[in-house]
Formats: sequence, structure tokens, C-alpha cells
Amino acid sequence: DAGVIQSPRHEVTEMGQEVTLRCKPISGHNSLFWYRQTMMRGLELLIYFNNNVPIDDSGMPEDRFSAKMPNASFSTLKIQPSEPRDSAVYFCASSLTEAYGYTFGSGTRLTVV
Amino acid sequence: GENVEQHPSTLSVQEGDSAVIKCTYSDSASNYFPWYKQELGKRPQLIIDIRSNVGEKKDQRIAVTLNKTAKHFSLHITETQPEDSAVYFCAASIGTGNQFYFGTGTSLTVIP
Repeated sequence: DAGVIQSPRHEVTEMGQEVTLRCKPISGHNSLFWYRQTMMRGLELLIYFNNNVPIDDSGMPEDRFSAKMPNASFSTLKIQPSEPRDSAVYFCASSLTEAYGYTFGSGTRLTVV
Repeated sequence: GENVEQHPSTLSVQEGDSAVIKCTYSDSASNYFPWYKQELGKRPQLIIDIRSNVGEKKDQRIAVTLNKTAKHFSLHITETQPEDSAVYFCAASIGTGNQFYFGTGTSLTVIP
């Protein structure tokens, strides 16, 4: 089991550029969560999917953020245009809908300059 | 929605002493309470969890207690070791397939 795989591990981009973060959940898991972690705000849920369907996106900061899950093995989080305040570590996590607890990926450290 | 508060934000203990981290939650529907450990630069990892139908759970040096009436739960680490140094997060959830509401984290330092 390779765990939850995120790419890239690090991303440095200029303000105004589009950023795409990628996540591959654990095979068989049908819930997927995107979190953002900063020192000031801790772990914030951005959006989560059950069976590829977005369930709650109330944590998405604004229209610049969008997330998709086209199939059970892949999800993307896109920021367009990016801003310096988007700098954070973005974690993806997955679980079985009928189970407790979930597994985090290694995260993507995003720096917007 | 659920609100999880965690205290203290930082904690230093001597190696071999015990450490206790406390969390409160607001939603009485919450029924699952995991604890995650995050080492510097790494992902949060589940270390122990408890469901609302039990009051205490123990795994070697780690234990978690839950008081549903008071809506609080705590993590207890005994015989602390330097490798226990990390940030610990509590969380609450209303059940399977649902999001976790995380506390703000406790930075634990174990002094050799």
C-alpha cells in the first residue's frame, strides 16, 4: 500500500500564476479530504468528497480555489490566480466512507512569491 | 458547526514525566475522537482514537479519556521520551465518512 500520494512535494510560484495540486488516494478509499495547514489557522478543511461527489466545500476560501475528483483514484486542487496568502502546506487525506479515521498524504508545501 | 478547543498550545516536560493534552468540543452529535501526531515537516499520523461508546482507551504509553457529559477528551502520554516531541492534534467527527474538526494543536517538547 503506497499510501496517499501527493504531488508536487514543493511548489514555488509567482503571484498570479495558476497552481495545481494533485492527490491519489489509497486504493479502495472512497472519501477524500483537502486540508490547508498554516501556523496561524492550523488545519483547515477546504473540501471533501464521498464517492467522487463533493459533499462540503464551505471551507474553500474563495472562487480562486476549485477542486475536482474525476474518478476514484485522482483529485486536484487548483488555485487561480495564486496570491502570497495562499502559501501553506496542503494535505490530502483519504478514508473508507464507512470507516473511522483517515490517512494523510505527505503534503504539498506551496510558496507564492 | 463543531468547535474543538485544545489546550495547552505548548507543553514542555522532562523525559520520563507524563504529559496531558485536553480538548473540548461543542457538538453533542460528535461520536469519534482521533488524535494525530505531527512531527516537524511530516504528515499528521493517527496515534489513537476513541468512540463515544467508551470512556477510556489505552495503547502502551498512550491513553485517551472521554467525558461525553462534559464534552471533553484528553490525551495522556506516560513515561515520555524525546521521540514523543511533536505537535499533537485532537479532532472530533460526527461519524464515518465525515470531516474531522481539528483542534489548534499542542507542541510537546520532551526534555532529555
